[in-house]
Amino acid sequence: GQNIDQPTEMTATEGAIVQINCTYQTSGFNGLFWYQQHAGEAPTFLSYNVLDGLEEKGRFSSFLSRSKGYSYLLLKELQMKDSASYLCAVRDVGNYGQNFVFGPGTRLSVLP
Amino acid sequence: KAGVTQTPRYLIKTRGQQVTLSCSPISGHRSVSWYQQTPGQGLQFLFEYFSETQRNKGNFPGRFSGRQFSNSRSEMNVSTLELGDSALYLCASSLDYGQGYEQYFGPGTRLTVT
Repeated sequence: GQNIDQPTEMTATEGAIVQINCTYQTSGFNGLFWYQQHAGEAPTFLSYNVLDGLEEKGRFSSFLSRSKGYSYLLLKELQMKDSASYLCAVRDVGNYGQNFVFGPGTRLSVLP
Repeated sequence: KAGVTQTPRYLIKTRGQQVTLSCSPISGHRSVSWYQQTPGQGLQFLFEYFSETQRNKGNFPGRFSGRQFSNSRSEMNVSTLELGDSALYLCASSLDYGQGYEQYFGPGTRLTVT
């Protein structure tokens, strides 16, 4: 089956660093994505990992370990505008080809 | 460059009716995916189209269907609407088909079934 787990909510302070974890179990794997979604808005792409290791993109970094079925999104120098939901998604191989499986999302609140 | 556009933005239908939603991808993008988002189930993949062909499909009943036109614009149709179909339907486009291509989401169509 397919299963993606993320913490439901997290709280952090402006200027701090926060790590959002994602664990997944899928029948196939063809890449892991992180998206940011502000309330009432559409998701926006943050990062993509297909090989093990760390991908850095400004204040945001994403890590992947395929053998452990584990990823994390690291947000540095937190800003108030980073308050949003963060969605982990895996491109899985299903019965009808590849499809995207999304986690439930982690709602991050950044406090002053 | 204009982003992904979806029409209509809001829609109210009654049970048993059918509905068609439209998505225009970013110019030059050839792949279009559709998602359903609800508070209880989160974001769920419906299907992906590329070159007018359905390439991937999620775990939804046959009442949900879609198509893509030669200009990459896409439509999705839901027949015999049920109350549980009330959701935000999101369309996303990407430059090409296959792993790694970044998806750009449209603003969504909010469907309410009464």
